[in-house]
Amino acid sequence: GAGVSQSPRYKVAKRGQDVALRCDPISGHVSLFWYQQALGQGPEFLTYFQNEAQLDKSGLPSDRFFAERPEGSVSTLKIQRTQQEDSAVYLCASSPQTSRFYEQFFGPGTRLTVL
Amino acid sequence: DAKTTQPTSMDCAEGRAANLPCNHSTISGNEYVYWYRQIHSQGPQYIIHGLKNNETNEMASLIITEDRKSSTLILPHATLRDTAVYYCIVRVDYGGATNKLIFGTGTLLAVQP
Repeated sequence: GAGVSQSPRYKVAKRGQDVALRCDPISGHVSLFWYQQALGQGPEFLTYFQNEAQLDKSGLPSDRFFAERPEGSVSTLKIQRTQQEDSAVYLCASSPQTSRFYEQFFGPGTRLTVL
Repeated sequence: DAKTTQPTSMDCAEGRAANLPCNHSTISGNEYVYWYRQIHSQGPQYIIHGLKNNETNEMASLIITEDRKSSTLILPHATLRDTAVYYCIVRVDYGGATNKLIFGTGTLLAVQP
């Protein structure tokens, strides 16, 4: 079956530009996570959605970062006025349930390069 | 969530068992041990998890010491496709927002032909 997909796979932005990264989770998955992975580091949590509700945004590094999931399926991570330190791979993951542990299924990520 | 310590890198010969250690000396009684791996240019992939008993699935085995302060992930017959960064994560299982994963830097396993 289809896994988690992300688009674009690669994005180059000039400093100061706004970018939007899309995540299509596995159909029916309630939970959706965004992570940021800098080069040579493990992924770091950014934000979490349960259906359309954003329940945890404690990992968003600044108010330039904004995420939404308006209909409880597709999610968009938006970064305004990009900076060089925003260069990273942005990973999306979905999970079928909210109670107890269910493995998170990750997409391939979007590699953002800010020049 | 408890912190984990893993070696930065390891080598393994193709066809041999790969044993990846993880120290989690401050683990609490309700924290599980999880393993994920990340193949180059892909997202992380779940491998296995356990609380205190040893676990085995089609991918790997997880051995947790009796005091739960360390664990070992075993890939019984490593192949070149197992070359990846392996992350050991410890966390509680309350569901919902606390399901976020806290990754360290992991162990880069290089399987040699």
